[in-house]
Amino acid sequence: EDQVTQSPEALRLQEGESSSLNCSYTVSGLRGLFWYRQDPGKGPEFLFTLYSAGEEKEKERLKATLTKKESFLHITAPKPEDSATYLCAVRYTGANNLFFGTGTRLTVIP
Amino acid sequence: GAVVSQHPSWVICKSGTSVKIECRSLDFQATTMFWYRQFPKQSLMLMATSNEGSKATYEQGVEKDKFLINHASLTLSTLTVTSAHPEDSSFYICSARTGGLNQPQHFGDGTRLSIL
Repeated sequence: EDQVTQSPEALRLQEGESSSLNCSYTVSGLRGLFWYRQDPGKGPEFLFTLYSAGEEKEKERLKATLTKKESFLHITAPKPEDSATYLCAVRYTGANNLFFGTGTRLTVIP
Repeated sequence: GAVVSQHPSWVICKSGTSVKIECRSLDFQATTMFWYRQFPKQSLMLMATSNEGSKATYEQGVEKDKFLINHASLTLSTLTVTSAHPEDSSFYICSARTGGLNQPQHFGDGTRLSIL
């Protein structure tokens, strides 16, 4: 069964302490991998799309990378305002919808 | 760009009432719209997919007669929860996409529905 697994479930970082979030997928025919940020009580906010292994995208303190079976969201020198749930979603060939992981809840402590 | 507006953001109503939620793409034409349901600390569960002018495609286990979806234009989709009961209380989020399957989905800010 195709699935998307994110780890860790929760992560607490000190401000400035860099780390990475993982998204593993077991789908065939990857059409795209998407990262979103979700704040409490809000809808997901689009961050990045990655289409092929080796691709990288950056936005401020965030950098997303993709291999054939997983993606990493690297957070460099995080700030408290980076605290949120980060969701990974995958679309595979033939599917119209996204398959979401359960997310990583990131807390950055001042 | 790519703003999706969802209304209302919060609604409380009595059991047996029908509730309509609107989802609008403000600065793009949404060829496909999606409706999700999210439980606390869980990920998004897809309820249905709709293309403008076509009937919605519902996911397995989602009652078509309970959750009515209308995608009448390229900028508007509505979800009506008919004869709502407490178990329908949840966070409902819409999403819209323009163009092909490779394009990202953009999400509204969700509607918190509470049925008393």
